[in-house]
Formats: sequence, structure tokens, C-alpha cells
Amino acid sequence: DAEITQSPRHKITETGRQVTLACHQTWNHNNMFWYRQDLGHGLRLIHYSYGVQDTNKGEVSDGYSVSRSNTEDLPLTLESAASSQTSVYFCASSEFRTGAYNEQFFGPGTRLTVL
Amino acid sequence: QKEVEQNSGPLSVPEGAIASLNCTYSDRVSQSFFWYRQYSGKSPELIMSIYSNGDKEDGRFTAQLNKASQYVSLLIRDSQPSDSATYLCAILPSNDYKLSFGAGTTVTVRA
Repeated sequence: DAEITQSPRHKITETGRQVTLACHQTWNHNNMFWYRQDLGHGLRLIHYSYGVQDTNKGEVSDGYSVSRSNTEDLPLTLESAASSQTSVYFCASSEFRTGAYNEQFFGPGTRLTVL
Repeated sequence: QKEVEQNSGPLSVPEGAIASLNCTYSDRVSQSFFWYRQYSGKSPELIMSIYSNGDKEDGRFTAQLNKASQYVSLLIRDSQPSDSATYLCAILPSNDYKLSFGAGTTVTVRA
């Protein structure tokens, strides 16, 4: 069955370190998204991609970067981790097509703690 | 004004009752509408999608869409303790692939 996976599921790191969170989907979806979820803020979009070599900033992109070298993967990098980036991170994907629906499916999440 | 607003909750309903969740949105040309269920500590799970005005039923869930009033709702009939979760409303504009999410409504079904 097609799926979307994230790794690691839990990560503890120190302030200033570079961290990369992996997202891999086997849906063959063109669209991929990274969100963070914090109490009181709901889901906030960090970065997104509509295809290979395409990346775009979301509403909370400062301190984060992504790259898209193939359809299946969109890794999220925290260049220099800060305590404010302690959060739960979700990756999601959807098809690239016009018209109705374009359902977006979420991975299981990565809980990141920055000490 | 936020793009997507949900009733703030928390919503507590007795087992077997109907839970009613509401969502309003500001973008008149929004095209597709979704309800996600999120259990504590888990990722959002898509439970309903609706595109056309009217009702769409799937088991104990009914989504209702009224584009003229810019309103979408989710009814959970015969609520069960397993329905206790946070429900997120999401809107897809006609000209983009990015979803706009509401803040969520937490539902507790008491036995």
C-alpha cells in the first residue's frame, strides 16, 4: 500500500546543531508539504513543493530549508536549531491536479525537542 | 479575519448523541473542503471531503456544505468514545494546492 513515512519519529538535539527530518511518500504525489504544530497555533505551513526542483516558503519558513531532488522525498533541514523550533513536525502530500478534492495525506509526525 | 474559523470548543457530548461541528471560511472561491480527525499524539487523518453544496454521508459522519453562506459542517451521529479527538476543518482554494486549516475543535464523548 502507498504510504508516507517520516523519520526519525522522535529527536532530541542541542541548540545550534543542524537537523534534518526525512519525509518519504510512495503515493507518487507531486505536491509535498511540511507543517509544524504547536499548542495554541494549530498547523502552520513551513515549506512546500509542487514537483522536483520546486520549493516554496510557507508562513513560518525562517530557519528552515527544503530541497526536492526526486518525487518521493522532501527532507526538512533546520540550519541551526533553536529552542523555538521544538515542535511536532508533519509531512503531507497530495496529487498535482486541478479540479475537486486534491486530498492531502499526512505522515505520522516527528517530535523534535531542541535543548 | 482568519481564513477558516471553527467553533472553539471543547465540545462535550454524551455517548449516542449527535456532535455538530461548524466551520466558516472567508475565500468565496474555495473549491474543496475537508474534515480531518486528530487523536492526541497522532497525525491528522482525513475523514471527509466535500465539493458540492448539500450533504455527503459516510457511515456515522455527514458533511454539509453551503457555499453561499461560506459554511461547512460535520455531524457525528451516534457518537462513540472513540470519536473523542480534535477535528480540523480545511479549505482548498480554487487556484492553489495549499490547504487553509482551522484551529480545530476538540470533541469529548462521555460514556
